[in-house]
Amino acid sequence: ETGVTQSPTHLIKTRGQQVTLRCSSQSGHNTVSWYQQALGQGPQFIFQYYREEENGRGNFPPRFSGLQFPNYSSELNVNALELDDSALYLCASSLLGGSTDTQYFGPGTRLTVL
Amino acid sequence: LAKTTQPISMDSYEGQEVNITCSHNNIATNDYITWYQQFPSQGPRFIIQGYKTKVTNEVASLFIPADRKSSTLSLPRVSLSDTAVYYCLVDLTGRRALTFGSGTRLQVQP
Repeated sequence: ETGVTQSPTHLIKTRGQQVTLRCSSQSGHNTVSWYQQALGQGPQFIFQYYREEENGRGNFPPRFSGLQFPNYSSELNVNALELDDSALYLCASSLLGGSTDTQYFGPGTRLTVL
Repeated sequence: LAKTTQPISMDSYEGQEVNITCSHNNIATNDYITWYQQFPSQGPRFIIQGYKTKVTNEVASLFIPADRKSSTLSLPRVSLSDTAVYYCLVDLTGRRALTFGSGTRLQVQP
């Protein structure tokens, strides 16, 4: 069974640029959730995708957008990067509608905005 | 959303049992209690989940009293590698968004 993977591991961008982060869900999972974790804080929910549709969104502006593909992998796109976007971005996969909907996290992508 | 309260930090020594208690006074009937462990610059790792009474797996035990207003994560015989942040979450299983608090920073000393 393959776990959740994310790419890239680290990324450095400048203000105003755009970034795309990628996530491959665990085998058998149909749902991907994205979280932002600032230094010293707990992860904050950005949004969730289920069967290629957005299935819930946290308190993040529209410049945070996402996609889920037929193989259930997912992308997080952030436009017009700001300094405060510097954080660890985590994706978590789960099986919505299964006997347990536990979310399993990937290792994260560390984004630094200069 | 049910809010959780847990100690900011705890210290222990190798070989000791560590108990981290989480308060969740407003837990709803259908909410489950889930604990995650997180090492620096890594994603949270699922530890254990329960609804009532006691749950045990190869890593930890979770004790939940009858009123479900609190829960205790028990780590038997901790080692240095158990130094991490531990998050208690109370959410309806399958809920869209996991709500993380600040967690408990556990430091295990030799």
